[in-house]
Amino acid sequence: RKEVEQDPGPFNVPEGATVAFNCTYSNSASQSFFWYRQDCRKEPKLLMSVYSSGNEDGRFTAQLNRASQYISLLIRDSKLSDSATYLCVVNPFSSGSARQLTFGSGTQLTVLP
Amino acid sequence: NAGVTQTPKFQVLKTGQSMTLQCAQDMNHEYMSWYRQDPGMGLRLIHYSVGAGITDQGEVPNGYNVSRSTTEDFPLRLLSAAPSQTSVYFCASSYHKSGLLNEQFFGPGTRLTVL
Repeated sequence: RKEVEQDPGPFNVPEGATVAFNCTYSNSASQSFFWYRQDCRKEPKLLMSVYSSGNEDGRFTAQLNRASQYISLLIRDSKLSDSATYLCVVNPFSSGSARQLTFGSGTQLTVLP
Repeated sequence: NAGVTQTPKFQVLKTGQSMTLQCAQDMNHEYMSWYRQDPGMGLRLIHYSVGAGITDQGEVPNGYNVSRSTTEDFPLRLLSAAPSQTSVYFCASSYHKSGLLNEQFFGPGTRLTVL
C-alpha cells in the first residue's frame, strides 16, 4: 500500500462547480499535512496547510480525519485558473522519517468554461 | 529574493556521463532537499540536508551524491547517468523546527534526459 494515496482523476468540472478531493495516508503517527498545487510543467507550490480543526482559505476548505486517516480539499465556485494538479503531502513523525515529506501522485483538475 | 534557483533548466546526457545539478536558495533555510518526479509516481525524495555539513538519504538515493558546504548551496551529482534517471528534478528548501517541516519552496526544476 502506498503511504499517501490520491485518486489521480482527471476531474473535469464546469466553472462554478464544487469539487472535492480525498487523500488517504497509512502512517497513523503523521503529524502535519498539506495541499500543494502544481501547474503543468511547473514546480509545486503550497496551497494550504491542513489543521486538525479544519481550515478555510477563501474558496478552499481543508479537513483532516485522523480516525480514518484521510484529508480532503474542497474547492467551491471553481474558476478556470483552478485547473492544475493537486498534491497531498504528509509529514510522518517517527524515528528517521520526521525530516521527510511524502507526496501523493496528485489529482488532476480541469475546470471547463 | 530570488528564492530557490536551479541550473540548468534542461539537460541531455549520454549513458555513463556524469554531471552536477545546481541548487541555491537565499532565504537562509536550514533544510534543503532534492526530489525527482516521474509520471504517475509523485515526488520522491533523493537526498536531504538539515544544515551545512549534514546530509542524509531519502527514498531513492542510489546513483546520486550530494554535499552541503554552505547554507545556500546543495548540488546533486549524478555519478554515471542511466536512462532510468530520466526525470524532472526539483530542489526545495524550508525552515525546519522541532522535527517538523514547514512550507517547502521549490525551484523551477531541471528536465533531464539520459540517452
